[in-house]
Amino acid sequence: AQKVTQAQTEISVVEKEDVTLDCVYETRDTTYYLFWYKQPPSGELVFLIRRNSFDEQNEISGRYSWNFQKSTSSFNFTITASQVVDSAVYFCALSEADGGSQGNLIFGKGTKLSVKP
Amino acid sequence: DGGITQSPKYLFRKEGQNVTLSCEQNLNHDAMYWYRQDPGQGLRLIYYSQIVNDFQKGDIAEGYSVSREKKESFPLTVTSAQKNPTAFYLCASSIIVHSGGLGDTQYFGPGTRLTVL
Repeated sequence: AQKVTQAQTEISVVEKEDVTLDCVYETRDTTYYLFWYKQPPSGELVFLIRRNSFDEQNEISGRYSWNFQKSTSSFNFTITASQVVDSAVYFCALSEADGGSQGNLIFGKGTKLSVKP
Repeated sequence: DGGITQSPKYLFRKEGQNVTLSCEQNLNHDAMYWYRQDPGQGLRLIYYSQIVNDFQKGDIAEGYSVSREKKESFPLTVTSAQKNPTAFYLCASSIIVHSGGLGDTQYFGPGTRLTVL
């Protein structure tokens, strides 16, 4: 079973629309971390956010916001008033202690977001 | 400027040849990682190293080898034993804040696209 599921393979929106990217994770650990990365067409992964399992506060950074809900094992990412520059593949990732590979990131398959002008 | 560099950006290899991908960082990070990305897929961990002269296999280490002779450098060799080496390869690094690296934020280089002819 996938440990990080990003069910939306591709999303297309028109500029200024709000869009939410879903991320559902699976872990038996009580201490774990969740991440979001952005991969623009250039290919480099850009770090967006890190959240630990003990901090369920939602976070807002400009047009970006994240909703962490342990009850549903979800860590969703919302872009408000999307812009063409937001077009990229977005990855959700999990870091857990299970199996001894504590530092390793387990990635979802990504969601490709296309924002059209 | 501090960062992670990977070279070359594009690499072409004939079947049966070994090829080495370079990854250098000047961030003074302890840990370094190699990931492989295939189209439409998330990243999969090949090898990682948390200290000089030591490294561990990731999920898909077969057909690859690494070395960590210097803190700044973590080259990846794709050997002829790797059955399907055509992919996008990403190197990352992180400071080890937590024991074992749990939850440490990884920062990525620009990637190398390898094509086997």
